[in-house]
Amino acid sequence: KAGVTQTPRYLIKTRGQQVTLSCSPISGHRSVSWYQQTPGQGLQFLFEYFSETQRNKGNFPGRFSGRQFSNSRSEMNVSTLELGDSALYLCASSLGPPNTGELFFGEGSRLTVL
Amino acid sequence: AQTVTQSQPEMSVQEAETVTLSCTYDTSESDYYLFWYKQPPSRQMILVIRQEAYKQQNATENRFSVNFQKAAKSFSLKISDSQLGDAAMYFCAYRSALTGNQFYFGTGTSLTVIP
Repeated sequence: KAGVTQTPRYLIKTRGQQVTLSCSPISGHRSVSWYQQTPGQGLQFLFEYFSETQRNKGNFPGRFSGRQFSNSRSEMNVSTLELGDSALYLCASSLGPPNTGELFFGEGSRLTVL
Repeated sequence: AQTVTQSQPEMSVQEAETVTLSCTYDTSESDYYLFWYKQPPSRQMILVIRQEAYKQQNATENRFSVNFQKAAKSFSLKISDSQLGDAAMYFCAYRSALTGNQFYFGTGTSLTVIP
């Protein structure tokens, strides 16, 4: 069974630009979550989608948005990029409710903002 | 909001020895789950071990075991017979049983294994 796939793996943008990251969950997983990982901050929760609906949202500005498609694939978008948005963005999938299992992570998309 | 604290940014252990990584958390909930995740350098994060709060028995997975102290809100990870492949960043994580799939992570402990 294929794991969680994130694209692109690496990207470089400049301030003010926008970026879209993609995540394909494990087959059969209906919940997709996004996390921002930075040194010293650990993983910060961005949002979670289940059945194309945002179920939870972390404490990030509105520049960060996401969506989920009917095949459970998810995208997140960051508009008007700032230097502080440089991070590893991790996508994780899980079966979704009522399952209370673990998260399965992708390898991440490393975003550098210049 | 729940918080997870890992007070050891870096730890080291001799190969074949035992090391314990600390984690404390803050919550007012009684039903939740705790996890330890491992992130090797430039590789994806994988689950090491999980603990359900309603279970008094500490979870074990081969060389990995936890010491879960619910009253103290402590959840430490013990790695026995450490191997070079155990070198990684370890994250402690909390998940409520009530509020969906949002995980709260600590800032991580970088473990070095010395041959």
